[in-house]
Amino acid sequence: NAGVTQTPKFQVLKTGQSMTLQCAQDMNHNSMYWYRQDPGMGLRLIYYSASEGTTDKGEVPNGYNVSRLNKREFSLRLESAAPSQTSVYFCASSGPSSRRGSRDTQYFGPGTRLTVL
Amino acid sequence: GENVEQHPSTLSVQEGDSAVIKCTYSDSASNYFPWYKQELGKRPQLIIDIRSNVGEKKDQRIAVTLNKTAKHFSLHITETQPEDSAVYFCAASIKAAGNKLTFGGGTRVLVKP
Repeated sequence: NAGVTQTPKFQVLKTGQSMTLQCAQDMNHNSMYWYRQDPGMGLRLIYYSASEGTTDKGEVPNGYNVSRLNKREFSLRLESAAPSQTSVYFCASSGPSSRRGSRDTQYFGPGTRLTVL
Repeated sequence: GENVEQHPSTLSVQEGDSAVIKCTYSDSASNYFPWYKQELGKRPQLIIDIRSNVGEKKDQRIAVTLNKTAKHFSLHITETQPEDSAVYFCAASIKAAGNKLTFGGGTRVLVKP
């Protein structure tokens, strides 16, 4: 099992450009999340999807959109990137799992480091 | 919404000593409290979690305690080793509200050999 995977690992954008961050999980989890982590800070929730077909805003949703494409995939889109969106983006998933932890445990992907110039 | 505060922001300990990190939360409905360890450039990884119906949980050298009345929970690491050096995050969530985690600001732990 690969767990949670994210692409790309690194990305540099110019202000105003758009891009989509991809996330996939192979643990058959129902719930998926997108967080951002700014230097020296904790993670802040951008959007989450409690189940396939549903999405909801988190703490910092402005400037982002999401798509829960199917049970495995949850993408994050920046329509018009701004320097304030420079951050490391983590995707996570949770649900019944045979791995260590409970159904509430969130497993994180490796992250995407995004720089907006 | 939920607010989680974490202290201290940095912690330096001698190898073999204990480390304690404390978190407070604001929403009394929170019922799940995980702790994550994040090494430099890596993803956060769960090290231990506790639910609101339990007061303490141990796993080898790490333990977590929860005081629901005071709305605070703590991580205890005993016999610290250099590989314990990392950033530790506490979090809180309300299971009925989609299990959305609210994270504390993190504690950078340095274990000096």
